[in-house]
Amino acid sequence: DAKTTQPNSMESNEEEPVHLPCNHSTISGTDYIHWYRQLPSQGPEYVIHGLTSNVNNRMASLAIAEDRKSSTLILHRATLRDAAVYYCILRDNNAGNMLTFGGGTRLMVKP
Amino acid sequence: NAGVTQTPKFQVLKTGQSMTLQCAQDMNHNSMYWYRQDPGMGLRLIYYSASEGTTDKGEVPNGYNVSRLNKREFSLRLESAAPSQTSVYFCASSEALRRNTEAFFGQGTRLTVV
Repeated sequence: DAKTTQPNSMESNEEEPVHLPCNHSTISGTDYIHWYRQLPSQGPEYVIHGLTSNVNNRMASLAIAEDRKSSTLILHRATLRDAAVYYCILRDNNAGNMLTFGGGTRLMVKP
Repeated sequence: NAGVTQTPKFQVLKTGQSMTLQCAQDMNHNSMYWYRQDPGMGLRLIYYSASEGTTDKGEVPNGYNVSRLNKREFSLRLESAAPSQTSVYFCASSEALRRNTEAFFGQGTRLTVV
């Protein structure tokens, strides 16, 4: 899988929007961009994925740059329950399309 | 909905003991995975099963064996546990190995080898 770069940690205030960045400058044309999050003492949880266009679901929005070399996960109103490690992952056609987890971004939400 | 169920949730083993971690999914998924997560680290893939009857090595397979018992169940066996295998183990499943499918994870098994 191609590599992604994320900040180690970010802070947000409760009920404010959060923009979590991810750089993937070596992305290939067929890589999907996936986001997962891991709450404390739990297994990872799928958040959203996309290929080229921006995507929205009930949990978040995914904004993908036009050149696809970066993306941003947007939580529209952070809650305390959103405090987690967020992983940005590229999935390609190699290595059986495995999910390869890097270090992720630890999001802290302040009340 | 149960999703992905792992048993046991906690286990302490002595060095050299063996054990099997169980995983079952009720979503009729074809693909299943075993990951380990060491403290402060991301997840690393141990083994995966693309479909019933097939298994393949992941990034860190040494010291482990797996069995895809049927479509629902995928077990991970430690034949002779070592302290380096102290970790949290996660099982996951997905509809298929396609790039655009999401994976569902279990709650994990926290294993300590002393």
